[in-house]
Amino acid sequence: EVQVVESGGGLVQPGGTLRLSCAASGFTFSGSDMNWVRQAPGKTVEWVSYISPGGRGFYYADSVKGRFTISRDDAKNSLFLQMNSLRGEDTAVYYCVGGHFQYWGQGTRVTVSS
Amino acid sequence: DAVLTQSPLSLPVTLGQPASISCRSSQSLVYSDGGTYFIWFQQRPGQSPRRLIYQVSRRDSGVPDRFSGSGSDTDFTLRISRVEAEDVGFYYCMQDTQWPWTFGQGTKVEI
Repeated sequence: EVQVVESGGGLVQPGGTLRLSCAASGFTFSGSDMNWVRQAPGKTVEWVSYISPGGRGFYYADSVKGRFTISRDDAKNSLFLQMNSLRGEDTAVYYCVGGHFQYWGQGTRVTVSS
Repeated sequence: DAVLTQSPLSLPVTLGQPASISCRSSQSLVYSDGGTYFIWFQQRPGQSPRRLIYQVSRRDSGVPDRFSGSGSDTDFTLRISRVEAEDVGFYYCMQDTQWPWTFGQGTKVEI
């Protein structure tokens, strides 16, 4: 059974940092591209970042480029998102997604507010 | 960036009747390898999105065959042949042909 579990969300002040983690199982994590996708309250889904199998290729949405960093640890079947210089518009549920958008977690909520 | 415009944004449906959602891209979604990389997602109330269709028309395992995807270049359609109660929710299109990958605004399907 596929399981994707995000953690690390919470309330943070503008300008602060958070590190999201994702633990995956039930599929070949090391061979899978992985993505972070977010959904602000009442809004559509927004792709945030991609990392290739092996971790050599990565891409970011313009809205987070230079502030967020995606990484992975294949030995631990884990995906990460380091989020710096957080802004109010980063408030959203963040989903870890694998298998080219087949496998979704339940999301972790990030709220950026003073 | 490829902007995806869905229509309608709200779709009242009747059980047992067909329904369709359109997604139009501001740019061609044909990749350099000749393929078109385009996905439809379903998001039921209170749930995470679920991939239904990928590469325009390939249905994911476990997805009922009443769902079908079609289209090319800039125009794409998701069809439900006979709507069932469990189909209520939001539907999103997404293109994974060119960076940055982008989503449509979503279509709310309600009975």
